[in-house]
Amino acid sequence: AQSVAQPEDQVNVAEGNPLTVKCTYSVSGNPYLFWYVQYPNRGLQFLLKYITGDNLVKGSYGFEAEFNKSQTSFHLKKPSALVSDSALYFCAVRDPYSGGYNKLIFGAGTRLAVHP
Amino acid sequence: DTEVTQTPKHLVMGMTNKKSLKCEQHMGHRAMYWYKQKAKKPPELMFVYSYEKLSINESVPSRFSPECPNSSLLNLHLHALQPEDSALYLCASSQALGRGADEQFFGPGTRLTVL
Repeated sequence: AQSVAQPEDQVNVAEGNPLTVKCTYSVSGNPYLFWYVQYPNRGLQFLLKYITGDNLVKGSYGFEAEFNKSQTSFHLKKPSALVSDSALYFCAVRDPYSGGYNKLIFGAGTRLAVHP
Repeated sequence: DTEVTQTPKHLVMGMTNKKSLKCEQHMGHRAMYWYKQKAKKPPELMFVYSYEKLSINESVPSRFSPECPNSSLLNLHLHALQPEDSALYLCASSQALGRGADEQFFGPGTRLTVL
């Protein structure tokens, strides 16, 4: 079965420190991977995606993610966390069996808390 | 304009009421989606429209009725809902189906409470 795992319910980081939010996936074929962020009572905002090419993907607000095919991972990173980065982060992969329909398989989400 | 708008922001309705949620985008996207999201959970896909035609219905109960009047608008008609239907309803759009690399743009959602 196609799936996405975010092994940590919550990640706590001090402001100014680097942060990592983990994501692993299990899909057939080449994955299309996405990261979204959700602030309280808001919709999801697209951060970045990996489709093909360079394994290091740069996205919005200073975030980047590293695609690792051998470890089937797509971890989200930022060199220096801000308190305003505190939010709920979702990793997602396109369901390869959804035909032409862009159905996304979401991870359970990781709450990032950045402390001053 | 890279925004998806949704109205209303909040909705409280009784189980016998009929109400509608509205979603609008002006990015020229031809695929539009409805999701349901419970607190602290990932969004669950409900419906997908492609070129104003319903392409996916994820076995959603008939008390939810989607409608796509034109390429910019998406409605979700609600009737005889249950308290467990209380959730954040998100609308999203993407350029077109068949383009799996395209990200989806989400609206801010409608917070629905069913009494």
